[in-house]
Parts: sequence; C-alpha cells; structure tokens
Amino acid sequence: AQTVTQSQPEMSVQEAETVTLSCTYDTSESDYYLFWYKQPPSRQMILVIRQEAYKQQNATENRFSVNFQKAAKSFSLKISDSQLGDAAMYFCAYCFGNEKLTFGTGTRLTIIP
Amino acid sequence: DTGVSQNPRHKITKRGQNVTFRCDPISEHNRLYWYRQTLGQGPEFLTYFQNEAQLEKSRLLSDRFSAERPKGSFSTLEIQRTEQGDSAMYLCASSLYSLGTHEQFFGPGTRLTVL
Repeated sequence: AQTVTQSQPEMSVQEAETVTLSCTYDTSESDYYLFWYKQPPSRQMILVIRQEAYKQQNATENRFSVNFQKAAKSFSLKISDSQLGDAAMYFCAYCFGNEKLTFGTGTRLTIIP
Repeated sequence: DTGVSQNPRHKITKRGQNVTFRCDPISEHNRLYWYRQTLGQGPEFLTYFQNEAQLEKSRLLSDRFSAERPKGSFSTLEIQRTEQGDSAMYLCASSLYSLGTHEQFFGPGTRLTVL
C-alpha cells in the first residue's frame, strides 16, 4: 500500500524568509502524481502545487516550488518570501491512476511577523 | 460561487442516532470523493464515485456507512447508529476525470460531533 510520511509536525519561519517542508512516500508504481495541499484554519483545502512523476523538471508556482527526487521518493515543498497568509496546515498527497489521494499527517506552518 | 459545497457545516448528534451529509460537487465534475479527517491527521479516503457508480470503498467504511450519488450529481453520506469514534470532519472533493486532470477540489467539510 502507498504511504506518505511528513516527519515535521510543526515548522515556523520568519516573514519574508524561505522554508522547506519535507515529504517522503512509498510506492511500487512508476507513473503517479504528487501534490501539496494547504488547509488554512477553519477553511477548505486548496491545491498548492502538483508534480507528475514522469516529469523530471520540478514544478513551480510563483513562490512555491518542489524538489522532487524520484529515486529517493522524496517530495519537498519550498516556500519563498513567506507571507502571513501562508500560515496553514500543509499536506503532502500521492495519487495513482487518477483515483484516491493518500495524505500525510501534515505540517503546521507558522509565520512569525 | 461554483465550488464544492457541503451541508450541514456542523452536526452534533447523540450516540446511536443516524446522520446524513450532503455534498454538491462542481457541476461538470464526474468524480466525487469522500474523506474523513480526525484531529491532527491527514484526510483518509472513504469512497468515490464516477457519475453514479461507486467505484471503491475503503475498509474504513463500515456497514454503518453508506454513500449514494443518484443521477451522478450530488452525493449523500449516511452514518447509522453513530458512535463517538465517528466524530471527525467529513470532506467531499470532486474532479473531472480526463487524461492529465488529477486535481481534486475540496469542499469546506462537515464537522460531526457524537456525544
């Protein structure tokens, strides 16, 4: 069974600084998708960034980028120029075959003004 | 707003009662997913539909749980004889199944408290 591990329950970063959230996963598949979702307090989950496993190039969305290491089964999220609005729970998720998402336990990110 | 909606947003019930939640997906989305999220955990998959067909059910979905998606539009999740362990946030998500489309759009969730 696929598993997703986020080993950092909590992280904090000074406003305007850069922070990296870690995620590892386990799968026997070669073609799959990885996601980072953001869940602000009392608000719904939204997609931050997506990575297709067959693409070697790391995905980037504005201040958000990933470091995808397929052989190591690692998928970290880097947030540059952190803003107060980035404070949230961040979940790493895996998807194979356009089916269900398997989530990690999340990392709570605090932004220090 | 044309996002995923869920009702009710909060439900408090007594142990042993039945509850039903509703999810309205984004209108053109043919896939609908239910997840359960307990405090401090990531969402866990419960079941999903493509149109009106229920394609997969998690082992987490005991016989007390049933989900439907009549006519491939909205979906309902019913929990019979609720237990305190059912207290959780129930999330609904929808997606458009097509090649290259894998993003699931989430609703705000229904928070269930079983007393």
